[in-house]
Parts: sequence; C-alpha cells; structure tokens
Amino acid sequence: AQSVTQLGSHVSVSEGALVLLRCNYSSSVPPYLFWYVQYPNQGLQLLLKYTSAATLVKGINGFEAEFKKSETSFHLTKPSAHMSDAAEYFCAVRGNQGGKLIFGQGTELSVKP
Amino acid sequence: GAVVSQHPSRVICKSGTSVKIECRSLDFQATTMFWYRQFPKQSLMLMATSNEGSKATYEQGVEKDKFLINHASLTLSTLTVTSAHPEDSSFYICSARDPNTEAFFGQGTRLTVV
Repeated sequence: AQSVTQLGSHVSVSEGALVLLRCNYSSSVPPYLFWYVQYPNQGLQLLLKYTSAATLVKGINGFEAEFKKSETSFHLTKPSAHMSDAAEYFCAVRGNQGGKLIFGQGTELSVKP
Repeated sequence: GAVVSQHPSRVICKSGTSVKIECRSLDFQATTMFWYRQFPKQSLMLMATSNEGSKATYEQGVEKDKFLINHASLTLSTLTVTSAHPEDSSFYICSARDPNTEAFFGQGTRLTVV
C-alpha cells in the first residue's frame, strides 16, 4: 500500500523567507510523487512532479522539491516566499491501481508581511 | 497544461432534489476520471474512479446509488447527487487523465443543500 504524510498542518513564514513543506511517502514500488497547490474554493493546480528522472524537480512559481529515497521524502521548498504563495499545499503519490492519487493531509501556508 | 472544466462552480439545492455536476476535459481525451469530496480544512477524499464506457469503481463507504457517476464519452463525466441532504453539502472536485499524463483537476463545485 502507498501513503503520504505531510508534517505540519500549518506553516507560517515571513515574506522573503524560505518555505519548507515536508512530505514523506511510503511505497512498495518506485513512486510517482506530486505537489499541488489549492487556493480557496478552487481546484488543485500541479506545482511539480517526480517521475523517476532527476531527483531535484523544479516546478512553477519558483518551487522545487528533492526526492530522497534514503529518507523517503519529497519536501517542497521555495527560497523566498511571496504573499501570493499563501494557500493549501498537498503532496500526493500515484497509486499502482488505476493511477489514482493518494493525498497527504495538506499543509496550509501563511505568509506574513 | 491540460484544461479540465467543471460546472457549476456553485450550486444551492433543496433537500430531496438531485444535482448534476459535469466534468469535461477540453483539450485531451480522458480515459479515466476521478471524483473527490473535500470537507473544510481537510484533504481530498476519493469517491470513485470512472473509465470511459464502463461502470465506475466506488471507494469503500461511498454509496453508489446516491452518487451516480456516468462517463459516457472520453471528454465528459458527470456526478449526480441524488436525493440530496444537508450532510451532502461539500466541495466536489473532479480530475481527468489519459494513460500518458498526470491528473488535471477541475475548479471544483461547492454544493450547499438547504
């Protein structure tokens, strides 16, 4: 079975500070991993994905994530937070049955001026 | 990226009535579509997976007679909430993919049953 755990339901940073959102996964097969962002009352937008190519994945809006097999982690980072980054972030792993996504619990990112 | 359009974005209905939500893939053929339900401040809960031309596969605990899913074409899937009750009020999100892409999500539908 596959699963995803996001550490911290809420993260608060100051504008310009480093953003670090943590995600650990469990998978019996090489995983496909994703980070999505959700703004209030909207669907999910794909930030980036890992599909067994480069371990450092660059996404949209300046976000990137590094796949670390030894740590079973796929943490999301951004060097400098913007106010517009305030949103809910979900880490997900693609299941090996029908391609459905298994989501973490989500992390709400707040950015203080 | 690919576009998935979900309609309506908001709907209010009376208890006992049925509501249909549409999910369309606008620029690709979606062999598989997924329907999720999201409660406030919570993650997405997968309700069912539908493959074009076949019956949907429902997750454990989801009533198939209450949440009717139809995936009659490669670009359209519908979710009908039958005999809606206030406890069905939620945010419903669809996603669509073909075998070669990741899933793309619709904008979501806020259902309020009064």
